[in-house]
Order: sequence, then C-alpha cells, then structure tokens
Amino acid sequence: QVLLQESGPGLVKPSQTLSLSCTVSGDSINNENYYWSWIRQPAGKGLEWIGRIYTSGTTNYIPSLKSRVTISLDTSKNQFSLTLNSVTAADTALYFCARMDYYHYHMDVWGKGTTVTVSS
Amino acid sequence: SYELTQAPSVSVSPGQTASISCSGDKLEKKYVSWYQQKPGQSPLLVLFQDKKRPSGIPERFSGSNSGNTATLTIGGAQAIDEADYYCQVWGSSTADFGGGTKLTVL
Repeated sequence: QVLLQESGPGLVKPSQTLSLSCTVSGDSINNENYYWSWIRQPAGKGLEWIGRIYTSGTTNYIPSLKSRVTISLDTSKNQFSLTLNSVTAADTALYFCARMDYYHYHMDVWGKGTTVTVSS
Repeated sequence: SYELTQAPSVSVSPGQTASISCSGDKLEKKYVSWYQQKPGQSPLLVLFQDKKRPSGIPERFSGSNSGNTATLTIGGAQAIDEADYYCQVWGSSTADFGGGTKLTVL
C-alpha cells in the first residue's frame, strides 16, 4: 500500500518561506512510472495544482507561482519537498502531495493534507 | 493553462442517475480524470483516462468524453456519493482542475 504523508509548519509569517515535505512509503520516488506533485486548496475553494517533480529532477510549475516555488527530491529519505517564497495570506490553504501517473497524468494516491496558515 | 468548466452543483434523488459534466475546448483530445472529495478528506481518484475505474471504485461510476464535454455518471446514486467532484486534465505543461461540482443526494 502506497502512503503519502505531508509535514511542516502550520503557521508561516507573511513574506517568509513555506516549506513542506512529503514522505512516501510503499513506493520509491525513483519509480520511473510516476511524478510527485503538490496541490493546494484554500478553505471552501477548489483544487489548485502547484507543480511536480520526476525522479530525474525535472520539474513543472504552475505559471502563477513559478517565480516563488521550488519542488525538490530527497532520495535518502524517500521524500519530496515544496518551498514557496514570499508568502502572503493568499497562500493560506490545505496542501496535499500526490503521486501522478507518468503516462496519463492522473493522481492516484494522495496524502491527507496539511493546513498552512500565513499570518503574523 | 487549460480552462475546465463545471456546474457548481448537481442534485439527484437516491437511486437515480447523476451526471456531472466538465467542459473545455476540444476536451475529447485529452484524457480526463475525476476525483471525489468528501468534507475533511483528501481527493479520491474515481476515474482516469476518461472512463477507467481504479481498483475499489464501484461500477456505478462511469465516464465518457466527446467533443468539448466529459461526463461522470453515477448510476443509482447513494447517500455516500454526496461529495465534491473535480475533473482534471494535463494542459500545456500543467495539471488543470475544473472548479468542482457539489453533488447532493436527496
């Protein structure tokens, strides 16, 4: 059974950096059949895909966040991470990590999500 | 990004068929995935590649994609199907979600 678990601070101050990790169990982030994605959801709103990373380190990001976001791999911990710089209240959301099929782009395994609040 | 449009809400009586649509330009040329999200839970993949069901998803969930519209159909809707449903495609180098449809079974 593949499980994903998000972790990181629940509160970040405006203009600071949001950093989250996703620990993968039951699969390897080196699995060439999958990408590893981050998605967020503001309270009461819809899903917004943030970006993804492949085992090679190749990344794709949503254009609106591209200047502030980095997704990276830590193969020693079987984790991938999200860094979002210069956060504002608009970045307050429930953040999910998910596994994305390499060939057909659906996300078949999701973490439970972690809430991040941007506030001073 | 690729724009996907969903109706905000759909209602269905128990046991009836619910149809949730997702529209986009030439959508039939893309594979559509569907996710179910219940309050306080993470999204669950219910269909991928337009109409394929992951293991464990009931047969009452089916899908189609033609022209500019993809449809998620729930045959014999049950109270447990009440949730938000999101469509998703791979656009031009990004994953794009529809705005979501709240399905009410009453």
